[in-house]
Amino acid sequence: EIVLTQSPGTLSLSPGERATLSCRASQSVSSSYLAWYQQKPGQAPRLLIYGASSRATGIPDRFSGSGSGTDFTLTINRLEPEDFAVYYCQHYGSSYTFGQGTKLEIK
Amino acid sequence: QVQLVESGGGLVKPGGSLRLSCVVSGFTFSYYYMSWIRQAPGKGLEWVSKISTSGAGSYTKYADSVKGRFIVSRDDAKNSLHLQMNSLRAEDTAVYYCARASSDGYDYWGQGTLVTVSS
Repeated sequence: EIVLTQSPGTLSLSPGERATLSCRASQSVSSSYLAWYQQKPGQAPRLLIYGASSRATGIPDRFSGSGSGTDFTLTINRLEPEDFAVYYCQHYGSSYTFGQGTKLEIK
Repeated sequence: QVQLVESGGGLVKPGGSLRLSCVVSGFTFSYYYMSWIRQAPGKGLEWVSKISTSGAGSYTKYADSVKGRFIVSRDDAKNSLHLQMNSLRAEDTAVYYCARASSDGYDYWGQGTLVTVSS
């Protein structure tokens, strides 16, 4: 079973700064099946990035994904107030594992 | 527009059963794999189950934590997805989301339905 480990657990930043979130897989995974989701309190998750680097429909270009093999990154440039939320990575290939999440909070 | 609406959650005693439903609209349901994902209070997301299209044989897969207790099914005529949950445990307490599975990940989610297992 593939385990996804996200870091840091909590990231404290100010609006306008850049956020860098990490997702590490316990074994190499196809980047074609690596996704990132955003979840705000009381809401369902929203797909941000699929295929490791492709933005989902309607996602602003300040969100970008990168990586391959076991190491993947979600970068959010010029943080907006609405970006403060919890972010999950997921592998949706042979397994459907989610990472434990990174909480992005306002500093 | 695409909508997924879950129902059927509630309070149930340990060992009891509950059946969740997810009715979808705005897309051709029969074309898509579907999944259930849950989130315990204050915790992260846990994938629960998936079902393939009927054309692919309605193949199902489950997380180890629910295997043998939960059954996922679909009714393409009614654009609905179901999760039959048996032998419920306290650790099954969570918000249960249905989600559309595409080659791009889970691109549409319902708003969730809360299941509470408690005596």
